[in-house]
Amino acid sequence: SQELEQSPQSLIVQEGKNLTINCTSSKTLYGLYWYKQKYGEGLIFLMMLQKGGEEKSHEKITAKLDEKKQQSSLHITASQPSHAGIYLCGADINNFNKFYFGSGTKLNVKP
Amino acid sequence: DTGVSQNPRHKITKRGQNVTFRCDPISEHNRLYWYRQTLGQGPEFLTYFQNEAQLEKSRLLSDRFSAERPKGSFSTLEIQRTEQGDSAMYLCASSLYRGDEQFFGPGTRLTVL
Repeated sequence: SQELEQSPQSLIVQEGKNLTINCTSSKTLYGLYWYKQKYGEGLIFLMMLQKGGEEKSHEKITAKLDEKKQQSSLHITASQPSHAGIYLCGADINNFNKFYFGSGTKLNVKP
Repeated sequence: DTGVSQNPRHKITKRGQNVTFRCDPISEHNRLYWYRQTLGQGPEFLTYFQNEAQLEKSRLLSDRFSAERPKGSFSTLEIQRTEQGDSAMYLCASSLYRGDEQFFGPGTRLTVL
């Protein structure tokens, strides 16, 4: 959506390398969610960030929400082929009842 | 509980026909969302329910689209007089409260010929 910009659109990395995906909004985020999707399937929840400056980690994936709550990054350390998929950020913007997603970042990890 | 389920998983229809999809959320989840996703894009919000009340609808949801959630349990999404542009993956999600993570179903892939 135009409300959330994700970069890069696609990424190919060698197994073992680190990578970062960014998600930016021009408006205040009232909750930022990261999901992973495999082609043709539903979304799998990864992490949720709500407070400015918050950082969460799960296994080798770390997500941060900046102080102004307008940008988030997802960092994968020592990538593995199992990390391949489409990463999507989603957010409740302006505290309304709608929910927006970015257009996704397609990640390929070469063995 | 096995999560959010959607039926059918795939639907092929001819232009002009009506189709209906069903979503069964996780039991006790109050909020239910419908999204549409086309190839290479993130999901686009269509509508959401708080129990049986439909509280928000996107402008993407033309008058050919209607959604219901009788009794606040399962939900149906109907598309009347389908058009080729309606071809997409239709995703359903549910959450317990506002602000909680949404749990997604596997989606219904619609192809309009």
